[in-house]
Amino acid sequence: GESVGLHLPTLSVQEGDNSIINCAYSNSASDYFIWYKQESGKGPQFIIDIRSNMDKRQGQRVTVLLNKTVKHLSLQIAATQPGDSAVYFCAENMWAGTALIFGKGTTLSVSS
Amino acid sequence: DGGITQSPKYLFRKEGQNVTLSCEQNLNHDAMYWYRQDPGQGLRLIYYSQIVNDFQKGDIAEGYSVSREKKESFPLTVTSAQKNPTAFYLCASSIILPGNQETQYFGPGTRLLVL
Repeated sequence: GESVGLHLPTLSVQEGDNSIINCAYSNSASDYFIWYKQESGKGPQFIIDIRSNMDKRQGQRVTVLLNKTVKHLSLQIAATQPGDSAVYFCAENMWAGTALIFGKGTTLSVSS
Repeated sequence: DGGITQSPKYLFRKEGQNVTLSCEQNLNHDAMYWYRQDPGQGLRLIYYSQIVNDFQKGDIAEGYSVSREKKESFPLTVTSAQKNPTAFYLCASSIILPGNQETQYFGPGTRLLVL
């Protein structure tokens, strides 16, 4: 699979590869993190979340990893499909009632 | 998109005109948010409201106004004071999770263009 060590605005992979999208978050006090997928012309769609008391959480074909030491979050997509092509945003939240802080987003392009 | 609707999908504004973007949710969420997204950029917070009849400014509130008269509705007005209104506008609402954490769900967006 292909991964990025630092945040990159674009990531191109072949269908069937594993994809890893990285995000550096800004606030060490943040205790809740969300990954969103945004397709062109649509609103962001919730993918998976993780709390700060966890290091890893798995969903269907997706895994989120949290490294609080270096304030780093990653989204792993297994067996990437063309339908996964979109912009992926990470978001952090300190506590309920405060707005989310969004990362810059990574555009994932999947070729057949 | 869940139970959050935004209308219209496209909106055209003339110079000096105020326009209002609609956001409605039937999820019984307490908090609602407005974000602006420019091409190739992330989301920037305009206004948010945690309860009816109360709202707070976000990072880029100048040139915008909101109201929250009903729990289900959080309309955004783009005033003539907003000199660069062309953008994609996203409304979100949120539910408080156990552990006092919050997940926001987004509407489909409204694209505002200036004539």
